[in-house]
Amino acid sequence: DTEVTQTPKHLVMGMTNKKSLKCEQHMGHRAMYWYKQKAKKPPELMFVYSYEKLSINESVPSRFSPECPNSSLLNLHLHALQPEDSALYLCASTPVQTSSGNTIYFGEGSWLTVV
Amino acid sequence: AQSVTQLGSHVSVSEGALVLLRCNYSSSVPPYLFWYVQYPNQGLQLLLKYTSAATLVKGINGFEAEFKKSETSFHLTKPSAHMSDAAEYFCAVSDKYGGATNKLIFGTGTLLAVQP
Repeated sequence: DTEVTQTPKHLVMGMTNKKSLKCEQHMGHRAMYWYKQKAKKPPELMFVYSYEKLSINESVPSRFSPECPNSSLLNLHLHALQPEDSALYLCASTPVQTSSGNTIYFGEGSWLTVV
Repeated sequence: AQSVTQLGSHVSVSEGALVLLRCNYSSSVPPYLFWYVQYPNQGLQLLLKYTSAATLVKGINGFEAEFKKSETSFHLTKPSAHMSDAAEYFCAVSDKYGGATNKLIFGTGTLLAVQP
């Protein structure tokens, strides 16, 4: 089973709201990722967790706050977002990163609209 | 730094025709290369990957890609296009960040349209 599950699939939030995106995988992968994808653009890396510790933050604004409560779960907490943050947010995971050839598996994504 | 370049942001073929999507890479070391497909309103699905085991890589849905070091290319092909192949295709190279963590560096994508 190569499945990364993301909830919710669609989220509409106001600029003063606090919401969270959730991601779950049961493949035993120890690296998990958040990507942001704007329309007609490739995905852009936001965060990487390795063994439940944040290993990469690609200079993402603090209104995005990631959390990895355990090896299967990854959250992205959202607060005071701007309309330009509207995008598809993709979660991904990969096995222990001993090789650059490991496949990174993506979820279906969460469509976020900020109004 | 490693990178990939996809030539042609839009490719249109007729159903049953050959599909050729181009990807060239830039890497100082043997690269790990991937092709992902994204259907409308969906996430990314791995089509195939090159990890130096064989230069001709077969993937899902009848797609294949050939790694050509002399041309620094990893073009994606399918002999006969089907309507269901209409999607966005991304070529990507895997890189190490900070010496340990995998990250994918994506090309700009090619939107494949299949005409009946």
